[in-house]
Amino acid sequence: DGGITQSPKYLFRKEGQNVTLSCEQNLNHDAMYWYRQDPGQGLRLIYYSQIVNDFQKGDIAEGYSVSREKKESFPLTVTSAQKNPTAFYLCASSGSWNEQFFGPGTRLTVL
Amino acid sequence: QKEVEQNSGPLSVPEGAIASLNCTYSDRGSQSFFWYRQYSGKSPELIMFIYSNGDKEDGRFTAQLNKASQYVSLLIRDSQPSDSATYLCAVLGENNFNKFYFGSGTKLNVKP
Repeated sequence: DGGITQSPKYLFRKEGQNVTLSCEQNLNHDAMYWYRQDPGQGLRLIYYSQIVNDFQKGDIAEGYSVSREKKESFPLTVTSAQKNPTAFYLCASSGSWNEQFFGPGTRLTVL
Repeated sequence: QKEVEQNSGPLSVPEGAIASLNCTYSDRGSQSFFWYRQYSGKSPELIMFIYSNGDKEDGRFTAQLNKASQYVSLLIRDSQPSDSATYLCAVLGENNFNKFYFGSGTKLNVKP
């Protein structure tokens, strides 16, 4: 089955910790994205990548970092510099009509 | 000014009725428009997209686009309780390759 997987589904972070969220896709899509969603809010773009070894900051990149070493993978690290990281994190990739498909998400909670 | 605006709702309709969801956008050069459905606690799923002025139908769903008015809507015919969800409007910016702007969503409740 083609699709996007994210892990873990739930993640708990202690103050001062860096954590990494995994995103893998087997859709052969070039472009991938990371969004953050807060309760009752829309999606805000953190980072996006149009091609391997290249990525761009989105609207709320501070406190986050990414890498794109393989086409299939686009991991997101939430660093200790992100002061309010509790949120629902969504990874997406885009198809031939620019439509974006989302993974199931990771819910991050700061303890 | 927000890039994409939606009424947060909730919009309540009886089962079998037509639900009308609306979205306005600020970037006049935007070319591509998408509607997503998001159930509580789940990720968004693509319903349909539209590029050209006019209507596009897919089953019970119809997307309507009016670029002159910078307005896009989604009609759901014969609404079912399973349609109860938050509907997100997304717009692909003209000058930002593959960068989407999302509205905050409209919550739809379909009452049996």
